[in-house]
Amino acid sequence: SQQGEEDPQALSIQEGENATMNCSYKTSINNLQWYRQNSGRGLVHLILIRSNEREKHSGRLRVTLDTSKKSSSLLITASRAADTASYFCATLSFYGQNFVFGPGTRLSVLP
Amino acid sequence: GAVVSQHPSRVICKSGTSVKIECRSLDFQATTMFWYRQFPKQSLMLMATSNEGSKATYEQGVEKDKFLINHASLTLSTLTVTSAHPEDSSFYICSAIEPGPTPRPTGELFFGEGSRLTVL
Repeated sequence: SQQGEEDPQALSIQEGENATMNCSYKTSINNLQWYRQNSGRGLVHLILIRSNEREKHSGRLRVTLDTSKKSSSLLITASRAADTASYFCATLSFYGQNFVFGPGTRLSVLP
Repeated sequence: GAVVSQHPSRVICKSGTSVKIECRSLDFQATTMFWYRQFPKQSLMLMATSNEGSKATYEQGVEKDKFLINHASLTLSTLTVTSAHPEDSSFYICSAIEPGPTPRPTGELFFGEGSRLTVL
């Protein structure tokens, strides 16, 4: 069963605005990762945050992790039309051997 | 980052035929690869974990005889959809993880570009 749950499932914003996506999970994790998928393509790794970290930055991306609430957020600042894609969070459980993906958020950035 | 190559990217076949999809790690050795299935506008569903030199571990509900997985070398895993039917039409994606501290994978996954299977 899917562990991660992204929220919202679909998000439409104007270019230049910030986009925030949330992910919740249920079990203890080793790390949480965010991936991006363009339509009909494979997934591209964006950022990994470990269970003992609270925030990470990478370019226009900012990821937070709240293990007490079992949730993470992905913020894309100054969005561009090229950011249009589906974004997935994936969790590796503490004793797990594989990653579990959430349903994803479909982001549309309108020019 | 590491590169995972998946082939073919698209395949159309008749019902009843078998289709093989290859997943290769090009610049690293992958002892573990994962096979996912993705329906339109949905998330990835893990089908099986492919382990080099041993039998694959299938997720609940995935037919082992239907989806044959072979991980014969440290750089190649194959998924064969046997006797394909229209309901097997889907997007299949493989991923591999760079070796890290054993036994648990802790690094990022590297994905192939996916293979779109259409069964007529």
